[in-house]
Amino acid sequence: AQSVTQPDIHITVSEGASLELRCNYSYGATPYLFWYVQSPGQGLQLLLKYFSGDTLVQGIKGFEAEFKRSQSSFNLRKPSVHWSDAAEYFCAVGVDRGNKLVFGAGTILRVKS
Amino acid sequence: DAGVIQSPRHEVTEMGQEVTLRCKPISGHDYLFWYRQTMMRGLELLIYFNNNVPIDDSGMPEDRFSAKMPNASFSTLKIQPSEPRDSAVYFCASSRTGDHTGELFFGEGSRLTVL
Repeated sequence: AQSVTQPDIHITVSEGASLELRCNYSYGATPYLFWYVQSPGQGLQLLLKYFSGDTLVQGIKGFEAEFKRSQSSFNLRKPSVHWSDAAEYFCAVGVDRGNKLVFGAGTILRVKS
Repeated sequence: DAGVIQSPRHEVTEMGQEVTLRCKPISGHDYLFWYRQTMMRGLELLIYFNNNVPIDDSGMPEDRFSAKMPNASFSTLKIQPSEPRDSAVYFCASSRTGDHTGELFFGEGSRLTVL
C-alpha cells in the first residue's frame, strides 16, 4: 500500500535560515509526488509537484524539492525562510494516475525572529 | 473562478443529530474528494468521485457516513447519527485530469463539533 512518512512533526528555524523538510514514500510504481502547505484555518495549497524528468523541481514561494529514487525521498527545501512561511507542510504521493493523493502526517514549521 | 466552496464553515451539533456538509467544486473539474482532518489521524481521504461517480469509498469510516454527487457542481457528505468522535475539519477538494493531474484545489473546510 502507498504511504508517506514525514519524520519531523515540528521544526523551528530562524528567519533567514535555510530549511529542509523530509519526506519518504512507499509506492510500487513511478510516483507522483507533491508538497502542499496549509496556513491556520485554511485549506491546503499546492507548492510543487514531481511527475517525471528533472529530479529537482521548483515551486511557488521560493521552495524546491528533490526526488531521489534510491532513497525514496522527496525533501522540500528553501534557502532562506521568511516569517510568513510558518505553516504546516504536507508531502503526498499520488495514485490513480496521480489523481488520488495519500498525505503524510505533516510537519509544522515555526519561524523565530 | 471562486474556488471550491464549502458550507457551513462551522457546525456545532449534539450527538445523534444528522449533519450535512456541502461542497461546490470548481467548474470544469471532474474529480471531487472529501477529506477529514484531525489532530490524531491527520488528513484522511474519505471518498472521491470522478465524473460524479464514486470511485473509492474505502475511507468512509462506517455506515453512518454517506456521500453523494448528484451533478458536477454539487456534493454532500452526510453523517447520521453524528457522534463526538466525528468532530473534525472536513475538506472538499476538486481537480481536473490532464495537465493539472494531482493538483487538488481545497475548500476552506467545514469545522464540525459534535457535543
